[in-house]
Amino acid sequence: DIQMTQSPSTLSASVGDRVTITCRASQSINGWLAWYQQRPGKAPKLLIYMASNLESGVPSRFSGSGSGADFTLTISNLQPDDFATYYCQQYYSYLTFGGGTKVEIK
Amino acid sequence: QVQLVQSGTEVKKPGASVRVSCKASQYTFTDFYFHWVRQAPGQGLEWMGWINSKTGDTKHAQKFQGRVTLTRDTSTSTAYMEISGLTSDDTAAYFCAWNYGGQDRLDYWGQGTLVTVSS
Repeated sequence: DIQMTQSPSTLSASVGDRVTITCRASQSINGWLAWYQQRPGKAPKLLIYMASNLESGVPSRFSGSGSGADFTLTISNLQPDDFATYYCQQYYSYLTFGGGTKVEIK
Repeated sequence: QVQLVQSGTEVKKPGASVRVSCKASQYTFTDFYFHWVRQAPGQGLEWMGWINSKTGDTKHAQKFQGRVTLTRDTSTSTAYMEISGLTSDDTAAYFCAWNYGGQDRLDYWGQGTLVTVSS
């Protein structure tokens, strides 16, 4: 099974900051990677797919990059709505999620 | 926009079974996948498996093989996830999710169903 490791597990930031979350797969997943945002008590929401493609309706301050086994999610100009937990998910071989990164207010 | 509506909160005793439903609406194609993802309190997301809406073919994550049964009713566009032999470790929110590709991103999600296992 492919393992997904996210870092950091928690990130403290302020409104207006630029934040970066990293996701590493245990093997190459050829860009088959999605990112989700989850607010407390809510279902996850798809943000990015195929490592860098923005889902329709998602603000352009969200961006994804990476290839092979290493990927990043960047949020530029952090907004109050962005304080949430973020998960990566590979779909190269079935589905596996990363452990999550909580973005909290500094 | 596809909508997924799940059944309500469940409280079960250890050793019991639970079945959660997920009804889809406002979709165009008949060939798609229902997925199930669980989240223990304060923990991350864990993929459990999928079922193809048209063929009924299923794929389970290894951890859930043998104890989780995935079914669907095409006449009502509803998927079901049943877990047998519940333990306290099964206390979690269970989400259904939807995509066209099976091994793919999860485009739409249900609201989640909380299952509590307690004696």
